[in-house]
Amino acid sequence: EDKVVQSPLSLVVHEGDTVTLNCSYEVTNFRSLLWYKQEKKAPTFLFMLTSSGIEKKSGRLSSILDKKELFSILNITATQTGDSAVYLCARAPTGNTPLVFGKGTRLSVIA
Amino acid sequence: DTGVSQNPRHKITKRGQNVTFRCDPISEHNRLYWYRQTLGQGPEFLTYFQNEAQLEKSRLLSDRFSAERPKGSFSTLEIQRTEQGDSAMYLCASARGSQDEQYFGPGTRLTVT
Repeated sequence: EDKVVQSPLSLVVHEGDTVTLNCSYEVTNFRSLLWYKQEKKAPTFLFMLTSSGIEKKSGRLSSILDKKELFSILNITATQTGDSAVYLCARAPTGNTPLVFGKGTRLSVIA
Repeated sequence: DTGVSQNPRHKITKRGQNVTFRCDPISEHNRLYWYRQTLGQGPEFLTYFQNEAQLEKSRLLSDRFSAERPKGSFSTLEIQRTEQGDSAMYLCASARGSQDEQYFGPGTRLTVT
């Protein structure tokens, strides 16, 4: 089964903390792994990872993929209340096929 | 705004009624996807178009669901004889060429009473 498993399912941190969100998947032959941030409505695209060990960064967010161990992490440093959202991880099995999403990690950042 | 748009944003309907949702993808995106999302879950795939051709349908898509993309631009998703279990957020996403990243619209939240 081509499941995507995210952990933890929810997390509460204080502003300024650093968090690490985890995503593991069960299929070895895939094309890419994507991270999205979902606030009240549409998931917004954060990162796409295709190669192991290459970190992608955008401001305080960074992500890395391990294709051998079949997982990815999303790090957020110096968290702010605006980082509160559900973070979704999705696997793209092959080109053009639908994304397979995990259940998401609900992050709450409190002042 | 050149993002994906969806209409309506909210729909409340009585069980047994038919509903239709519309999605306008980012222009020049040839691929269009419909997903359904319920509380506490990630989006689940429903169906996928490349241009006007419907290439894949999930087994979640019962006979009561139909989708079209007649001219390869906007798409509609119709649910006939709605049931309470159809209550969910219906998300549309589009993508260009062979790129994996999909861009989502704001969704249509359906409530079946």
